[in-house]
Amino acid sequence: ETGVTQTPRHLVMGMTNKKSLKCEQHLGHNAMYWYKQSAKKPLELMFVYSLEERVENNSVPSRFSPECPNSSHLFLHLHTLQPEDSALYLCASSQGLALAGNNEQFFGPGTRLTVL
Amino acid sequence: DAKTTQPPSMDCAEGRAANLPCNHSTISGNEYVYWYRQIHSQGPQYIIHGLKNNETNEMASLIITEDRKSSTLILPHATLRDTAVYYCIPHPDSNSGYALNFGKGTSLLVTP
Repeated sequence: ETGVTQTPRHLVMGMTNKKSLKCEQHLGHNAMYWYKQSAKKPLELMFVYSLEERVENNSVPSRFSPECPNSSHLFLHLHTLQPEDSALYLCASSQGLALAGNNEQFFGPGTRLTVL
Repeated sequence: DAKTTQPPSMDCAEGRAANLPCNHSTISGNEYVYWYRQIHSQGPQYIIHGLKNNETNEMASLIITEDRKSSTLILPHATLRDTAVYYCIPHPDSNSGYALNFGKGTSLLVTP
């Protein structure tokens, strides 16, 4: 397996469920990101991790809880979501943090989440 | 933060060069110009980036004007698989932090 992988690719859940999205990068990168892409809206950055430390949390509701156990894995734990949380959730990684410049982000295929 | 202007859509015949323009007249000196694309229902894909000089890789060429106020992404021989939304992104942006500001991009349709 190469690049950035995400599982599951599709997820349907009720508002009372608890589920987790998983991201794994096989690129030896040190930074990982969660983005949200809602229909007809630009990508929104949710969380950034560098060397397993969270460095940015863009006012994301607490019903989204990230976890980065090591530099290759990133999780997004979901609980009591709302229908408006239905979106494509994308994971990305980069060699280091983007502010260092010259540091492209590589994206996974995304998880298509539907909240009923 | 640097704002970008891209045409909302473009068509290109298969096998011809696709030239995608981007205006970024407010770009600051330390911002690179990144290009990504997103094929329908897939994650964004990095294409190329540059600061001042023109760049070329196996996917595309990037031409940046001397004043850095605009750039053009060139796909030299477009194929049907190049149909996607293409995003021009000045980065890093001091106001957006680590995020890539994808904006609306240009929807490129490559036709047979």
